[in-house]
Amino acid sequence: DVKVTQSSRYLVKRTGEKVFLECVQDMDHENMFWYRQDPGLGLRLIYFSYDVKMKEKGDIPEGYSVSREKKERFSLILESASTNQTSMYLCASSFFRLEVGPNEQFFGPGTRLTVL
Amino acid sequence: ELKVEQNPLFLSMQEGKNYTIYCNYSTTSDRLYWYRQDPGKSLESLFVLLSNGAVKQEGRLMASLDTKARLSTLHITAAVHDLSATYFCAVVSVRDMRFGAGTRLTVKP
Repeated sequence: DVKVTQSSRYLVKRTGEKVFLECVQDMDHENMFWYRQDPGLGLRLIYFSYDVKMKEKGDIPEGYSVSREKKERFSLILESASTNQTSMYLCASSFFRLEVGPNEQFFGPGTRLTVL
Repeated sequence: ELKVEQNPLFLSMQEGKNYTIYCNYSTTSDRLYWYRQDPGKSLESLFVLLSNGAVKQEGRLMASLDTKARLSTLHITAAVHDLSATYFCAVVSVRDMRFGAGTRLTVKP
């Protein structure tokens, strides 16, 4: 079974704090993704990575950065947390094959972040 | 740019009834996924639809794909309470994968 784990299920931080969200996958997937999920807005892609040390901006990268130093680990960083970053954060991973493009994504359990 | 529209966003139905969730998308697609999310939990893959006319069924759920109409449907037959969840479609086009906003389904006794 593919396993994607996230470091925390619930997190409460204060405005201005630096926040790290960690994601680890155990299936040797090339691709890893960070989404945020808000009611009525579905999943919005923040950043993704298709290889170690590679990253691409998604639809809403402002206020976030990412790090991928090892293939299995993808970190999302909120440099200075703000209240509008209160959300559910979902990490996902997938294989990528050039001939077929993006593949099924496997999701972690999510981190519900509250910024006070 | 690939855009995915799902409707309805909210669906309340009685047990035993049938209903359909729709997923429309804006550009040519290679494949389409349906995911389920239970409250407080993460997304789990239900179906992958790979070609025009593809149909997949699992229990009371049946998904189909019409690539010419750029439309996928998720049909629920004789709904039961256990089907209460949020359902997402995800559309793949070239190197892009986009999710719909989700349909929150509530099945009432």
